[in-house]
Amino acid sequence: ETGVTQSPTHLIKTRGQQVTLRCSSQSGHNTVSWYQQALGQGPQFIFQYYREEENGRGNFPPRFSGLQFPNYSSELNVNALELDDSALYLCASSLRGVGSSPLHFGNGTRLTVT
Amino acid sequence: GDSVTQMEGPVTLSEEAFLTINCTYTATGYPSLFWYVQYPGEGLQLLLKATKADDKGSNKGFEATYRKETTSFHLEKGSVQVSDSAVYFCALTRTRSNFGNEKLTFGTGTRLTIIP
Repeated sequence: ETGVTQSPTHLIKTRGQQVTLRCSSQSGHNTVSWYQQALGQGPQFIFQYYREEENGRGNFPPRFSGLQFPNYSSELNVNALELDDSALYLCASSLRGVGSSPLHFGNGTRLTVT
Repeated sequence: GDSVTQMEGPVTLSEEAFLTINCTYTATGYPSLFWYVQYPGEGLQLLLKATKADDKGSNKGFEATYRKETTSFHLEKGSVQVSDSAVYFCALTRTRSNFGNEKLTFGTGTRLTIIP
């Protein structure tokens, strides 16, 4: 089975720009969660999508937004980038409902904002 | 709000030593507790879990017991190997969850290095 894949693996942006990060869920999974992991810190929950609807949000401003597509892949969009947005962004997919499964994490996208 | 406090790292041990990584939590209700491991260059992987008080999670020689009276979930292994070198994260979900596929609250992580 194909695991969770994220793209790109690394990118560099300038303060004020916008960025889109992409995530392909593991086959059969219907839920995607996004986490931000700053250097030396634990992951922080950004939001979760279930069946294309936002299903929970952490303490992040509205400039962090997302989408989930009918094939359950997902995007994380960040507008008006700030230096503090520099972090590893982790996507995790899972199956909710009958036969629910643990979270499966991707390897992350390393975002650097200069 | 919910929070997880982990033992400060980094931790360096010799091969075959006994490992303990402390984890305590603050949460309302009946949280489920998890340990995740992050090997170099890889994503987080679920190591073990416990969903109610006195449950013991175990996997790959690692164990942790859900202690409600001390709000703790310490990770232990009797004899560590070089391949156990990684960053370990303690985490919780607010509600009882078999798999933590709801919002996870993580600790800051503990970097473990095992030397031959």
